[in-house]
Order: sequence, then structure tokens, then C-alpha cells
Amino acid sequence: GAVVSQHPSWVICKSGTSVKIECRSLDFQATTMFWYRQFPKQSLMLMATSNEGSKATYEQGVEKDKFLINHASLTLSTLTVTSAHPEDSSFYICSASEGSTDTQYFGPGTRLTVL
Amino acid sequence: GEDVEQSLFLSVREGDSSVINCTYTDSSSTYLYWYKQEPGAGLQLLTYIFSNMDMKQDQRLTVLLNKKDKHLSLRIADTQTGDSAIYFCAERGPTDSWGKLQFGAGTQVVVTP
Repeated sequence: GAVVSQHPSWVICKSGTSVKIECRSLDFQATTMFWYRQFPKQSLMLMATSNEGSKATYEQGVEKDKFLINHASLTLSTLTVTSAHPEDSSFYICSASEGSTDTQYFGPGTRLTVL
Repeated sequence: GEDVEQSLFLSVREGDSSVINCTYTDSSSTYLYWYKQEPGAGLQLLTYIFSNMDMKQDQRLTVLLNKKDKHLSLRIADTQTGDSAIYFCAERGPTDSWGKLQFGAGTQVVVTP
């Protein structure tokens, strides 16, 4: 149980285009989902906390107009990187909270490369 | 602010025990977690411990928590080559923090034959 999927697993796009990444909890409902960014050989950096049906809460320094988050249902959250630039290239990982302990279960990640 | 620290690297021989250490500063932590990340993959939850527990054992994994010293450790018995990965400890703050986690930098564990 507690499986989280992400789609796509990798994407290459041109500078200036927008990219949408989906995060789904497959076998549980997640009131809260989280989006992280991870640079090579570094830890996870929390970008935003997403609660179903309400606006996401962004961490300091994360541009909310650039990284659009939608959490329309209890099993799906999306992250859209708008007008992507090469510096947005990174590994993006989502997680979903499950159960009374709010344990976070992570997706497999999405590798974004912006040319 | 909260801070979680881990040693960056651990080398261990196959069959030996591995011990990965972690320290944290937030005394209001409710849960502490250990995650495993293999190259190019997401994080896999290994185990977690509630802050009022001292120890938790799950097959080859033993978690020890010293709340007074804010020290958490993960022991892997009979370490196998498949245990080579990066291990992250993470703490969860108080119940009003939406379950946000503070991660350590990760410990790279390399298992040698």
C-alpha cells in the first residue's frame, strides 16, 4: 500500500515552454501533498505544501507564479513549471501524506531538463 | 530554526552491521523517519519512530532514539550490496506544521564485497 506515482518520469523541453508534472496517490487519499526539488548529490528542498481544494503554501524563495501547483482532488496534485529555463533543470519529487501519522510517501521523481 | 545533520559517507563490508547517525535540534519533533534513495529514484520509507519511543526494530533495521541528546541512529544488520544507497533522516515538527519534514543532507552508504 501507500504508493505514489509521478508522470512523466523524465522530460526534456525547450527554454520558454511550460511543463506539467503529475503526482498521484494510487491507493490512498492524500489531503496534503508536497513538492520537492533535489539538486545532484544534495538533499531535498521543499518547494510547497499543497492541500486539496485550497491554494498551495510556498516556501520562502520559491516563485509561486513560476511553479504553479494545483491539488484538485485527494489523489492528484500537479506542478507546472512555466516558462522553463535551463536553471529549472532538476529532479522534482512529490510526496503524499497518509494516515493518522501523516507519514509522507514519495513518488519516483521527475527529471526535468530544459535546453 | 530546525536543523538535521548527518555524516555524509559510510563504507561498510558486506555482512557487517551499518550504523548511520543523525542529530536534530527541534525538541518538538513528533516523528522521525529514515528514507532510502537509490540513484535516479524517489525516496523509499524504511521506518519511522514516534518521539516518545526509544527503540524500534523491523527485521534487519533497528532505530534508536535518544531524545535527551536529540540523536537518532539506524542500524542495518547483515548489510548487503543492495543496501548501497543514500539514507536520509528526517524529522517532523509539531502537529500544526502540516506534516512538513526537515531532512538531513543524506548519508551515502557504500557496501563493499
